[in-house]
Amino acid sequence: AQSVTQLGSHVSVSEGALVLLRCNYSSSVPPYLFWYVQYPNQGLQLLLKYTSAATLVKGINGFEAEFKKSETSFHLTKPSAHMSDAAEYFCAVSNQAGTALIFGKGTTLSVSS
Amino acid sequence: NAGVTQTPKFQVLKTGQSMTLQCAQDMNHEYMSWYRQDPGMGLRLIHYSVGAGITDQGEVPNGYNVSRSTTEDFPLRLLSAAPSQTSVYFCASRIRTLSDTGELFFGEGSRLTVL
Repeated sequence: AQSVTQLGSHVSVSEGALVLLRCNYSSSVPPYLFWYVQYPNQGLQLLLKYTSAATLVKGINGFEAEFKKSETSFHLTKPSAHMSDAAEYFCAVSNQAGTALIFGKGTTLSVSS
Repeated sequence: NAGVTQTPKFQVLKTGQSMTLQCAQDMNHEYMSWYRQDPGMGLRLIHYSVGAGITDQGEVPNGYNVSRSTTEDFPLRLLSAAPSQTSVYFCASRIRTLSDTGELFFGEGSRLTVL
């Protein structure tokens, strides 16, 4: 069965610092992987997705993620954090039947000035 | 350009009461789903539908019913609310594709408290 594990429930960075949010996946088939962001009191918004094309995926707001099959990872990065990046981030994988997204437990990103 | 609309945004129920969370989308999406979000648990799938007249269970279906009579609407029913159903509920939809790479569009959520 497909699953994702997000390492670290809370990550704190300074404004301008590198953002690294970790996600490892488990899948018996080539996975489709997603990163979503949730701002306070809002629904989730897609940041980026990996669908077996390029292994380095660029998303919105300067975020990108790299699919590494050998490490079963799909970590999310941003070179320079901005205060507006403070939110909760979810990694997700599509289930084998293609009928659901399976979400990780989320990582809350805090950005300090 | 409404997208996915959920009502109500907030609701307080007493144990044993029933209610329906409404979800409507105007994007002609075939796939619709309900998730619940609990602290430290991420989002868990309750029920989903791949088209009008077709529904199926997700990871945590107990205590919830759904139906899909139209493409636009996918209501979630709680027949006898329990405190364990206190949560934030999200409706999400997408187009159906063979490879399921479509983006899920989420509503803004419905916060339910069961006393």
